Amino acid sequence: DAKTTQPNSMESNEEEPVHLPCNHSTISGTDYIHWYRQLPSQGPEYVIHGLTSNVNNRMASLAIAEDRKSSTLILHRATLRDAAVYYCILRDPLRSGSRLTFGEGTQLTVNP
Amino acid sequence: EAQVTQNPRYLITVTGKKLTVTCSQNMNHEYMSWYRQDPGLGLRQIYYSMNVEVTDKGDVPEGYKVSRKEKRNFPLILESPSPNQTSLYFCASSLSRWGRTNNYGYTFGSGTRLTVV
Repeated sequence: DAKTTQPNSMESNEEEPVHLPCNHSTISGTDYIHWYRQLPSQGPEYVIHGLTSNVNNRMASLAIAEDRKSSTLILHRATLRDAAVYYCILRDPLRSGSRLTFGEGTQLTVNP
Repeated sequence: EAQVTQNPRYLITVTGKKLTVTCSQNMNHEYMSWYRQDPGLGLRQIYYSMNVEVTDKGDVPEGYKVSRKEKRNFPLILESPSPNQTSLYFCASSLSRWGRTNNYGYTFGSGTRLTVV
């Protein structure tokens, strides 16, 4: 599976936008970019996924670089509830089946 | 409410005493999976099931068993637990279709913290 690289930690202030980066320079043409987050004492939670085009949903936006070697998860207005570990995962559903391979993720701290 | 329910949330047991952690989903999902989470090692897949009566090993299956007799339930069985199975366990489910792209989000349970002494 292609590897992703994320910063270990990031900090943000409440009500401000947050941009969480992810590098995936060895991404293949059939890898989808998935983002999950894990709040304290909870299971991981699906956030968003995309292939080539930018994606928006009620939780976040995903901006994918034109060469697909990096992507950014955007939280438009951070709240205290957004403090969590964010995981960027590459997944080719036809090659890796249904497995999700989690890395260490980025610990996001949101300051009041 | 659509959810994955695990029980128990917390369990302390002794070495060698068989235990079962239950997992149930109410979303009619075909795919279910078990993960364990350990500090420094992240989340690792133990077993998964593509549908009823179809199960397969993940990355760390040793010491575990599973069964999928009905679509909604996917219990994790530790026949003879050992201290190295002390961990935080998560069950997950996802919509899946045989022979088609499986690219749906996963829903995870709230976790079971198991301690084996």
